[in-house]
Amino acid sequence: AQSVAQPEDQVNVAEGNPLTVKCTYSVSGNPYLFWYVQYPNRGLQFLLKYITGDNLVKGSYGFEAEFNKSQTSFHLKKPSALVSDSALYFCAVRVSNFGNEKLTFGTGTRLTIIP
Amino acid sequence: DVKVTQSSRYLVKRTGEKVFLECVQDMDHENMFWYRQDPGLGLRLIYFSYDVKMKEKGDIPEGYSVSREKKERFSLILESASTNQTSMYLCAGRNRGNPNEAFFGQGTRLTVV
Repeated sequence: AQSVAQPEDQVNVAEGNPLTVKCTYSVSGNPYLFWYVQYPNRGLQFLLKYITGDNLVKGSYGFEAEFNKSQTSFHLKKPSALVSDSALYFCAVRVSNFGNEKLTFGTGTRLTIIP
Repeated sequence: DVKVTQSSRYLVKRTGEKVFLECVQDMDHENMFWYRQDPGLGLRLIYFSYDVKMKEKGDIPEGYSVSREKKERFSLILESASTNQTSMYLCAGRNRGNPNEAFFGQGTRLTVV
């Protein structure tokens, strides 16, 4: 079975500081990893994904994430936080086998950027 | 722009009612999904469909059914709504077989009273 853990329900960061939102995963096989963001009363918006290749992937709004196979982690990062980054963030995983289409999500991390 | 549209943003239904949540996508995606989102539990997969008239149970299918008569439309059905089905429901679509991201609708907040 595949699973995702987001160990922090809430992360608070001062505006301008770097931010990290943590994610670890468990799958049998090679993972496809995703980050999504949800603003209040909205659906999920795709931020970035790791498929293969470079372990550091860049996405929308200045976010990036680092894939670490040995630690089975895919932490979301941004060098300098903005107040507008305040939202709910979800990490998700899927195995890279054709036919297994199930995308499993973590429980979410609420990011609050303090002005 | 890709688009997944859920027919209602907010719904209030009575216990025991049959409830239909509709989702339409214009991306010609084979795969469509229904999730429910609850605080502290994240998104949990209810059902998904990988083709017309095809469906598979997700992690929490009890109390729900689905219908996919056309490729662009995926309906979630609550046969007899209960208060524990009060939740945010999210529909998503994705191309099959590629490492593509899923695209989500704006969500339907269902309240069962």
